[in-house]
Amino acid sequence: GQNIDQPTEMTATEGAIVQINCTYQTSGFNGLFWYQQHAGEAPTFLSYNVLDGLEEKGRFSSFLSRSKGYSYLLLKELQMKDSASYLCAVRESNYQLIWGAGTKLIIKP
Amino acid sequence: EAGVTQSPTHLIKTRGQQVTLRCSPISGHTSVYWYQQALGLGLQFLLWYDEGEERNRGNFPPRFSGRQFPNYSSELNVNALELEDSALYLCASSVRDTSYEQYFGPGTRLTVT
Repeated sequence: GQNIDQPTEMTATEGAIVQINCTYQTSGFNGLFWYQQHAGEAPTFLSYNVLDGLEEKGRFSSFLSRSKGYSYLLLKELQMKDSASYLCAVRESNYQLIWGAGTKLIIKP
Repeated sequence: EAGVTQSPTHLIKTRGQQVTLRCSPISGHTSVYWYQQALGLGLQFLLWYDEGEERNRGNFPPRFSGRQFPNYSSELNVNALELEDSALYLCASSVRDTSYEQYFGPGTRLTVT
């Protein structure tokens, strides 16, 4: 069956580093996405991984291990504006995205 | 470049009524996706349209339906509204074969009383 697991909520301190994990079991694999969603707003694209390894984009990095069905999003130098939900989504072979429930990240001063 | 637009922004309906939500994709995008996001929950995939055809649908009853027009805009129809249909309905668009990113609209907040 299809399943994507993420922690429900995480708390971190401003200026610190946080890693949000995502594990998945899906029918086929055609890429993994991370989106950021602030409360009451639409999700916005953060990163995309289709090959194993680390993709770095400024303060945000995303890692993928296809053999382990595992990804993480790494946020460095946390800022208060990073308080949001982070959604992991896997694109299956038929192009459909399967979404995790999201991880609510709370940043404390 | 204009982003994905949705209308209306907010909607209040009574149980048993019918509702139509509208979405205009980014120019050049042929795929439109509809999602339901109940308060505090993750995105639930509803429907995917591409080039005017329904490509896939999520695990929702038949009273959720839609269509895509020749200009690639799309409608989502929900019949016989139930209280649990209260949610944020998000539309996203993409270029199906060459792009991996879905661009989301601001959503329509539907409240069923």
